Amino acid sequence: AQKVTQAQTEISVVEKEDVTLDCVYETRDTTYYLFWYKQPPSGELVFLIRRNSFDEQNEISGRYSWNFQKSTSSFNFTITASQVVDSAVYFCALNQAGTALIFGKGTTLSVSS
Amino acid sequence: DAGVIQSPRHEVTEMGQEVTLRCKPISGHNSLFWYRQTMMRGLELLIYFNNNVPIDDSGMPEDRFSAKMPNASFSTLKIQPSEPRDSAVYFCASSYIAGSRQSDTFGSGTRLTVV
Repeated sequence: AQKVTQAQTEISVVEKEDVTLDCVYETRDTTYYLFWYKQPPSGELVFLIRRNSFDEQNEISGRYSWNFQKSTSSFNFTITASQVVDSAVYFCALNQAGTALIFGKGTTLSVSS
Repeated sequence: DAGVIQSPRHEVTEMGQEVTLRCKPISGHNSLFWYRQTMMRGLELLIYFNNNVPIDDSGMPEDRFSAKMPNASFSTLKIQPSEPRDSAVYFCASSYIAGSRQSDTFGSGTRLTVV
């Protein structure tokens, strides 16, 4: 069975702090894909990144970075120099090609000024 | 590209009434997914279609829920009769799946309240 665990339910930081959101996944498949989505207060789901199981290179996009480690089945997300606009619920998700996403419960990030 | 379009954005209905949620996927996408988001259960798949054919409906809670995709540009999710526990945000997502390539785009969701 596939499962995604986001152990941090809520995180609060002050602007300019760095913050890491944890994601641990379970799957028996050798080929799979990992995702992060952002859900701001307006409610839509915004795609952030997709990573396949064969690509363990870390990814950086502006203030966002992702660390994929197959050895620990983790796909963590770091926001550097957080801003108030980063306040949202962040979801980690997992799937195989051509199937639906399995989501974690989400981490609510609150960034105060 | 208008993205995935869901309607209505908000729906308030009385228990026992029929509710129909609508989704227009992105043109050219060959897969469509319906998800439900609640505080208790988070985001969970209800059903997904590939080339208009239902592939996995194991997430559909019970017979009160039904989904159709009569053509590549339209899908509906119907609840009849509705119950207060159906209150949730329902998301539709479409994707182009070819081999290992997949790109899911979500609609803005329909917030359903059953009173």
